[in-house]
Amino acid sequence: GAGVSQSPSNKVTEKGKDVELRCDPISGHTALYWYRQSLGQGLEFLIYFQGNSAPDKSGLPSDRFSAERTGGSVSTLTIQRTQQEDSAVYLCASSLSATGRNQPQHFGDGTRLSIL
Amino acid sequence: GQQLNQSPQSMFIQEGEDVSMNCTSSSIFNTWLWYKQDPGEGPVLLIALYKAGELTSNGRLTAQFGITRKDSFLNISASIPSDVGIYFCAGASNSGYALNFGKGTSLLVTP
Repeated sequence: GAGVSQSPSNKVTEKGKDVELRCDPISGHTALYWYRQSLGQGLEFLIYFQGNSAPDKSGLPSDRFSAERTGGSVSTLTIQRTQQEDSAVYLCASSLSATGRNQPQHFGDGTRLSIL
Repeated sequence: GQQLNQSPQSMFIQEGEDVSMNCTSSSIFNTWLWYKQDPGEGPVLLIALYKAGELTSNGRLTAQFGITRKDSFLNISASIPSDVGIYFCAGASNSGYALNFGKGTSLLVTP
């Protein structure tokens, strides 16, 4: 499709398990972002990738969170030893490059993660 | 990131009415964006603003970038049932690319 694609759309797992969330950005977009949306809240920035540059990980809430972007395209967000407070919708966005004029971020539909 | 103050938190209006919502920040932004999110979906971009004082329309939607660079508003004219959803403002500063989001305005429209 033409938009940002995320999988799975829903994930239910037990506390302590590791999870991997996938994001396939819009073709040609060099910038990729991960956000987290807790129930009834706005989006919280997690991590940003731009081309081959080192990612900005300043938004990651703990060292249990990590992300990779292979080949400048698909990205994977990994959460190790999941906790119940990790339950949220994880949204991925992409843009032509870093946010600037005429380069807004476009979002996928997210992965709804539930930790039991 | 910085949380923006978005108001009102929710609105319940009748079809045909006009709607106004706004967003304020204690920091200066050089970009203001307005998104709409439907249940189970990601936010969809409605309007992007890049210059202080800029007034931009998208159909029945109009948004403005405040002169102080610390606020923005979104107006919806002649609301229709499909306008139902959560509207988010988002801002970005010169020093960053990560968007700072408001907590959203939940809009309900009755026929």
